[in-house]
Amino acid sequence: DAGITQSPRYKITETGRQVTLMCHQTWSHSYMFWYRQDLGHGLRLIYYSAAADITDKGEVPDGYVVSRSKTENFPLTLESATRSQTSVYFCASSEPASGGGWSDTQYFGPGTRLTVL
Amino acid sequence: GENVEQHPSTLSVQEGDSAVIKCTYSDSASNYFPWYKQELGKRPQLIIDIRSNVGEKKDQRIAVTLNKTAKHFSLHITETQPEDSAVYFCAATAYLGYSSASKIIFGSGTRLSIRP
Repeated sequence: DAGITQSPRYKITETGRQVTLMCHQTWSHSYMFWYRQDLGHGLRLIYYSAAADITDKGEVPDGYVVSRSKTENFPLTLESATRSQTSVYFCASSEPASGGGWSDTQYFGPGTRLTVL
Repeated sequence: GENVEQHPSTLSVQEGDSAVIKCTYSDSASNYFPWYKQELGKRPQLIIDIRSNVGEKKDQRIAVTLNKTAKHFSLHITETQPEDSAVYFCAATAYLGYSSASKIIFGSGTRLSIRP
């Protein structure tokens, strides 16, 4: 689990500010994901990436931007933070299993608790 | 899109008894079903998973069953212990459409409490 890290672990910001959450993995996994976790909703996918320079929207992408210039990094940016974006954010990575179209295990980072005032 | 429903949302069992958590999914193309355990303030961690070519998988006190026809799968924990207290999430894959990539849709979670 030490192979995937997130920073900062805690962040307090104000409405309207830009915030970037960082995610770094050392396994060279192809796939990376951003989730948000809110009470009563479990984990919801925000964005995912299949490889460097390949990203796509998940279930709740509005208000977020991602980039992936390097395989090991997948930053998530809130362009203009809103109170509804107060949440715990988890980054995850995985590597597809060879053949058969099977998905592989996702490994989660420790999470970032974001509060928007 | 894929939808995963999980029941119950909370579950309290006596230590030593069994606990069962059930999930249903909507996409018949789903083929991978992991279960994650999340302790308070910690990250989700995979505890067991099952692929659609098998109906049951067991790992010590934990087992998962899959009924593809009915599109439901269940987590069974036997001889529960205090350290089993946590939130458990089921999940099902949703094929992304390229390579062998998949994204996982999670259920809303079950808070399991073990009474001493």
